[in-house]
Amino acid sequence: EIVMTQSPVTLSVSPGERATLSCRASQTTNNNLAWYQHKPGQSPRLLIFGVSTRAAGIPARFSGSGSATEFTLTINSLQSEDFGLYYCQQYYKWPLTFGQGTRLEIK
Amino acid sequence: QVQLVESGGGVVQPERSLRLSCAASGFTFSSHAMYWVRQAPGKGLEWVAVISYDGRNKFHADSVKGRFTISRDNSENTLYLQMNSLRPDDTAIYYCAKDSGPDGMNPSYYFDYWGQGTLVTVSS
Repeated sequence: EIVMTQSPVTLSVSPGERATLSCRASQTTNNNLAWYQHKPGQSPRLLIFGVSTRAAGIPARFSGSGSATEFTLTINSLQSEDFGLYYCQQYYKWPLTFGQGTRLEIK
Repeated sequence: QVQLVESGGGVVQPERSLRLSCAASGFTFSSHAMYWVRQAPGKGLEWVAVISYDGRNKFHADSVKGRFTISRDNSENTLYLQMNSLRPDDTAIYYCAKDSGPDGMNPSYYFDYWGQGTLVTVSS
């Protein structure tokens, strides 16, 4: 099983600033890596797939980067609606696995 | 507009059974693989099961293998999860999710739409 580890667990950032979230895989994901945003009481929302491709309707302030085992989600000019939980997911090997999540909080 | 609406959750005693449903609309249900993903209290997301667009292929996580069974009825646009021999550590919000691939022959294995989830609590 590919173990996904996200850091930090909690990130406090002021509106308007940049947030950088990390995701590390225990082995290569061959760039089969997605990011989701999840807010309490809502459905998870696909942000990024294929490491860096934004899903439909996702603002350009969200960007993904990385390769093999190290990945980053960057959110520029944070807005109030961006706060919540963020998960990475590998879809290279079964079982599909998620990171434990990073909670993005308002500073 | 894609909609996935789960139902069937509730409080159930250990070792009992429960069947979850997910009603799909707004897309060609029979053309996409579908998944169940769960989130235990205070925990992250965990993939539970996947079923191919035509229902012929199914895979389950080791944690539920032999106890849970995913199925679908393409004539009713509905996804199911039959959960038997439930344990307290199965307590979670269960989400159904749609494969993001363009069609059933080309699944992506990530999820572009999710339902709101249904809560399953296993407790005596």
